[in-house]
Amino acid sequence: SAVISQKPSRDICQRGTSLTIQCQVDSQVTMMFWYRQQPGQSLTLIATANQGSEATYESGFVIDKFPISRPNLTFSTLTVSNMSPEDSSIYLCSVDAERAGELFFGEGSRLTVL
Amino acid sequence: TQLLEQSPQFLSIQEGENLTVYCNSSSVFSSLQWYRQEPGEGPVLLVTVVTGGEVKKLKRLTFQFGDARKDSSLHITAAQPGDTGLYLCAGGVYGQNFVFGPGTRLSVLP
Repeated sequence: SAVISQKPSRDICQRGTSLTIQCQVDSQVTMMFWYRQQPGQSLTLIATANQGSEATYESGFVIDKFPISRPNLTFSTLTVSNMSPEDSSIYLCSVDAERAGELFFGEGSRLTVL
Repeated sequence: TQLLEQSPQFLSIQEGENLTVYCNSSSVFSSLQWYRQEPGEGPVLLVTVVTGGEVKKLKRLTFQFGDARKDSSLHITAAQPGDTGLYLCAGGVYGQNFVFGPGTRLSVLP
């Protein structure tokens, strides 16, 4: 397993601003993912954060809106840019720590956009 | 596109009752995971099943993977208020990203 810490745990932001969410893992991992969970919904994969190269985005998500950094094997950031109320969600960092086909999640960052 | 369906979507039961939650797909998965998510927390992995027909038990929880590896069930015996949460199934195919079901929201009333 892996211990994953996310910051901030929650935030309230104004429309048009940007917020960067940090994800720290207690061990080196190859596969790191960012998910969005809209209110009352399941998880939707935003992108895979690749170390040393650009993130791989899923359909419907673009780098300009959700820029991702992955400077090393234990850390990643997700920025939600030019926020609107529709971006109000929980954003979750996840890793496949042992490449065993099992995901471990951070506690999530609950974002509210006014 | 691989899709996972879960039923029921919502379930409210009394403490001590038994329940079964289902996860179904028309696609074959190499593995299937069950997660539980409590309010304000991230999903926590409960179990992974990889073999068709496999049954795994975790205290009062019994998980089964269908013979064809397209479906799974989660059975809870004598539910307790601490079992309350969102139960998510996720299917994995080697080399591809996980697919999550829509979830079953369980409420166990004392």
